[in-house]
Amino acid sequence: DAGVIQSPRHEVTEMGQEVTLRCKPISGHNSLFWYRQTMMRGLELLIYFNNNVPIDDSGMPEDRFSAKMPNASFSTLKIQPSEPRDSAVYFCASSSQAGGPHEQFFGPGTRLTVL
Amino acid sequence: SQQGEEDPQALSIQEGENATMNCSYKTSINNLQWYRQNSGRGLVHLILIRSNEREKHSGRLRVTLDTSKKSSSLLITASRAADTASYFCATVPMDSSYKLIFGSGTRLLVRP
Repeated sequence: DAGVIQSPRHEVTEMGQEVTLRCKPISGHNSLFWYRQTMMRGLELLIYFNNNVPIDDSGMPEDRFSAKMPNASFSTLKIQPSEPRDSAVYFCASSSQAGGPHEQFFGPGTRLTVL
Repeated sequence: SQQGEEDPQALSIQEGENATMNCSYKTSINNLQWYRQNSGRGLVHLILIRSNEREKHSGRLRVTLDTSKKSSSLLITASRAADTASYFCATVPMDSSYKLIFGSGTRLLVRP
């Protein structure tokens, strides 16, 4: 198995531009998570999908952030418009939640820099 | 907000020594997990311990859990330079079936 795949690995953009991050979870996993990691705030859960449905988006910072999961093998996290304070590493993780909470498998992350 | 707090924040040891990292948390949990993150990489799951377990082993890793003290420890025995990484504890709260709440992490440096 290829593991969780994220693209791009690095993104540098200017303030005000739209940014789209992509994630392909591990096949067969029914749960998908988007996290943000910064030095100041550590790892924060942004949104959680179960069976392609957003269950908990309480961690999404504001309306500039949106996430979709059109099918079981693809998810996007969009920031529009982007701001310098959005600079962080964004991780996607997937998991099989059958039978209770299990380990999560993380992708390599997308390092976003907003100038 | 972070539930887990790790101690120490940074640890430097000589190869071959044991490394112990501690984690404290605030609310009742379903399970507690430890993850490793190498610089510039994603997190890798190491071990999961359920709330009704007190100790668990996996290779050179030993995890303990004390729910009365709301604390856990991760012991890496006979450390290697390749163990150099950040280590995070993450808790799944009792009232959640999915939410992982990460601690601030311990940066471990194993000197060759």
